[in-house]
Amino acid sequence: GNSVTQMEGPVTLSEEAFLTINCTYTATGYPSLFWYVQYPGEGLQLLLKATKADDKGSNKGFEATYRKETTSFHLEKGSVQVSDSAVYFCALSDRGDDKIIFGKGTRLHILP
Amino acid sequence: SQTIHQWPATLVQPVGSPLSLECTVEGTSNPNLYWYRQAAGRGLQLLFYSVGIGQISSEVPQNLSASRPQDRQFILSSKKLLLSDSGFYLCAWSWGREGGSPLHFGNGTRLTVT
Repeated sequence: GNSVTQMEGPVTLSEEAFLTINCTYTATGYPSLFWYVQYPGEGLQLLLKATKADDKGSNKGFEATYRKETTSFHLEKGSVQVSDSAVYFCALSDRGDDKIIFGKGTRLHILP
Repeated sequence: SQTIHQWPATLVQPVGSPLSLECTVEGTSNPNLYWYRQAAGRGLQLLFYSVGIGQISSEVPQNLSASRPQDRQFILSSKKLLLSDSGFYLCAWSWGREGGSPLHFGNGTRLTVT
């Protein structure tokens, strides 16, 4: 079946550091890929998405590129801020399938 | 614009008591609806989803059930809660199969079973 694997946290970085959170997936079809962010005590919010190979999703300085050859969708940001501290979830939605599958989440902690 | 309401925000219930969590969506029709549970260290687990009134798909056999009595209403229930039912429950909606439609989440219900 479909699955999402993302790097385990917590990840602790200093402000202005470069961020990468790895995400790989397994899917039987041609999935759409997503990154969601969860701030403390809140529900999840869509951060960015990509619907086909080589697409790049971007939002709030974050980027992720849909790499079909490596089945990956790594999240990156060039300079993180304290306000980026949150839990980040990678997810996929396979075409023709109503289920959306999430990774286990990566907690990010940014130090001032 | 579309909004999703989920309540209550927090709930403390004794073991063996019943449960009813409600979720409603406004500003759209015939959405896909989802219940997820987030437990510490286990990420986000899909419990149920629905593509229409009365249509429920269960992902994980367990002590819970779901119902969709109206187009934009999704209810999560249990007849007798277990300690292991504690967690953060999230309701979400999407447009369904419309080309990579993302989920839109409610603010969640934190359930503690004592």
